[in-house]
Amino acid sequence: AQSVTQPDIHITVSEGASLELRCNYSYGATPYLFWYVQSPGQGLQLLLKYFSGDTLVQGIKGFEAEFKRSQSSFNLRKPSVHWSDAAEYFCAVGGYSSASKIIFGSGTRLSIRP
Amino acid sequence: DVKVTQSSRYLVKRTGEKVFLECVQDMDHENMFWYRQDPGLGLRLIYFSYDVKMKEKGDIPEGYSVSREKKERFSLILESASTNQTSMYLCASSLGQGATEETQYFGPGTRLLVL
Repeated sequence: AQSVTQPDIHITVSEGASLELRCNYSYGATPYLFWYVQSPGQGLQLLLKYFSGDTLVQGIKGFEAEFKRSQSSFNLRKPSVHWSDAAEYFCAVGGYSSASKIIFGSGTRLSIRP
Repeated sequence: DVKVTQSSRYLVKRTGEKVFLECVQDMDHENMFWYRQDPGLGLRLIYFSYDVKMKEKGDIPEGYSVSREKKERFSLILESASTNQTSMYLCASSLGQGATEETQYFGPGTRLLVL
């Protein structure tokens, strides 16, 4: 069965510190992988996506993610967080189909310590 | 830029009322989706539509229906609202048209409270 696991419900990091949010997926074929961010009271904004090629993907706002097929992981990283990065982050997996549904993880809430 | 708009940011309704949530996208996307978002559960797909007048059930369709009379508009209907439908509702759209990569673009969400 297709699934996405985000093992960390809530993470707090200090401003300026590095960040890694974990994501593991289960998918029967080569997946598309996404990270979305949701600021309080807002919809979801796409941070980055992987669908082929280089396994290290660069996104907006200084984020990057690395696809590791052997570990079924797609962890999100940022070298130095800013207070404005406080939000909820969702990992998602989809497939190669024109009517493909995307499966979302349960989210990781990120708080920033001043 | 893709723009997905939802008719209301906040709604308060009473149990038993019929509720309409409207979503409009301006990028000629074929696919449109309705999700509900609850703490700790992430996003769960209610219904999606891959063409005008076409719809398919998602993971939690019970208590909901949808309508897509025009390509740009996708409506979610709660025939008789119940308190367990209090939630954040998110609409999304994606290109479709046989595209192999299906990024979804989201609206700002409607927070519905059913009393």
